[in-house]
Amino acid sequence: DVKVTQSSRYLVKRTGEKVFLECVQDMDHENMFWYRQDPGLGLRLIYFSYDVKMKEKGDIPEGYSVSREKKERFSLILESASTNQTSMYLCASSPNREAEDTQYFGPGTRLTVL
Amino acid sequence: GQSLEQPSEVTAVEGAIVQINCTYQTSGFYGLSWYQQHDGGAPTFLSYNALDGLEETGRFSSFLSRSDSYGYLLLQELQMKDSASYFCAVNSGGYQKVTFGTGTKLQVIP
Repeated sequence: DVKVTQSSRYLVKRTGEKVFLECVQDMDHENMFWYRQDPGLGLRLIYFSYDVKMKEKGDIPEGYSVSREKKERFSLILESASTNQTSMYLCASSPNREAEDTQYFGPGTRLTVL
Repeated sequence: GQSLEQPSEVTAVEGAIVQINCTYQTSGFYGLSWYQQHDGGAPTFLSYNALDGLEETGRFSSFLSRSDSYGYLLLQELQMKDSASYFCAVNSGGYQKVTFGTGTKLQVIP
């Protein structure tokens, strides 16, 4: 079974803090994604990566950065956390295969910024 | 930009059939996927359609009409455990990068 793990299930930080969210997958997938999920807005893509050291902006990259130094690990960084970044953060991975869009999600990190 | 529309809530009776529709407007199209998410859980993949027609997987089926930019998820013999949110997602740019709809919350009642 594909396993995607995230470093924390719940996290509380203060405004202005630098926040690191870590995601690790164990299936040698090429693609990795970071989403945030808010009520009524669905899942919105923040950043994705299709290879080590490669990254592409998603739909809402402002206020975030990412790092992919190893294939299995994709980190989301909030340089200076703000209250509007309080959300559920979901990491996902997928193989780079044609005619297949299956994404495997981690359990999520619920981040609260005070 | 990309946009997907699906109903926000649907209620159905245990044992019945329910259809969740999804219409999309995207600049490109590679395929339409469906995901299920229980409260407090992670989304899990249900189905994928790249070509027009119906795909069946057990009690769940998914349909796509590319000419109408429309698809639906059909759930048969509903069970209480099917109560969850269902998201359609369109891949419009490759790399398995998808845009998700806002989700349909399905409530199954006895």
